[in-house]
Amino acid sequence: EAQVTQNPRYLITVTGKKLTVTCSQNMNHEYMSWYRQDPGLGLRQIYYSMNVEVTDKGDVPEGYKVSRKEKRNFPLILESPSPNQTSLYFCASSIREGEGQGFNYGYTFGSGTRLTVV
Amino acid sequence: TQLLEQSPQFLSIQEGENLTVYCNSSSVFSSLQWYRQEPGEGPVLLVTVVTGGEVKKLKRLTFQFGDARKDSSLHITAAQPGDTGLYLCAGPYSGTYKYIFGTGTRLKVLA
Repeated sequence: EAQVTQNPRYLITVTGKKLTVTCSQNMNHEYMSWYRQDPGLGLRQIYYSMNVEVTDKGDVPEGYKVSRKEKRNFPLILESPSPNQTSLYFCASSIREGEGQGFNYGYTFGSGTRLTVV
Repeated sequence: TQLLEQSPQFLSIQEGENLTVYCNSSSVFSSLQWYRQEPGEGPVLLVTVVTGGEVKKLKRLTFQFGDARKDSSLHITAAQPGDTGLYLCAGPYSGTYKYIFGTGTRLKVLA
């Protein structure tokens, strides 16, 4: 089954304790991206990756790191989590078709990771 | 600054009614997508529109892309309780690899 798998599904941690949220896709997609979703603020892009070893900042990258060493994996790293990073996080992947930079046929999303930082 | 504004923000209707959700921007998009999201789950892609003026139908859902590719609409005919959810428009921001989402429309269909 084609899917994006995130782990863990739920996580409660303490301020300052480094954590990694894993994301893996089995569709050979080029694009991968991380979003956070907060009430009243919607879905905001944290980081995205166009392909292996190619990543760039989204709209809210502060406090996060990513890496793309393999095509299928795109982990999200919080080096020193803070309470304002409490949120619902989604990983997503997409194939790129068509011409032109940014042309996109939509993402397949994971089931989400609900992170609470206390 | 929200690049994709949706209206209405909330909508509560009776089963069988029709409704339209709007997605507007001052920027041109090469394509727009519509998603539906259930509570606690990731958004699920419904449709992609690419060409200005394009109309796509998915059962009782009709999607339209504006002629200037700056806006889109989603029309639901004879809404059912199963249509309840958060509807999101989204698209690649022109000239970048960023992909942005609209503000969302939360729909509740009452039986």
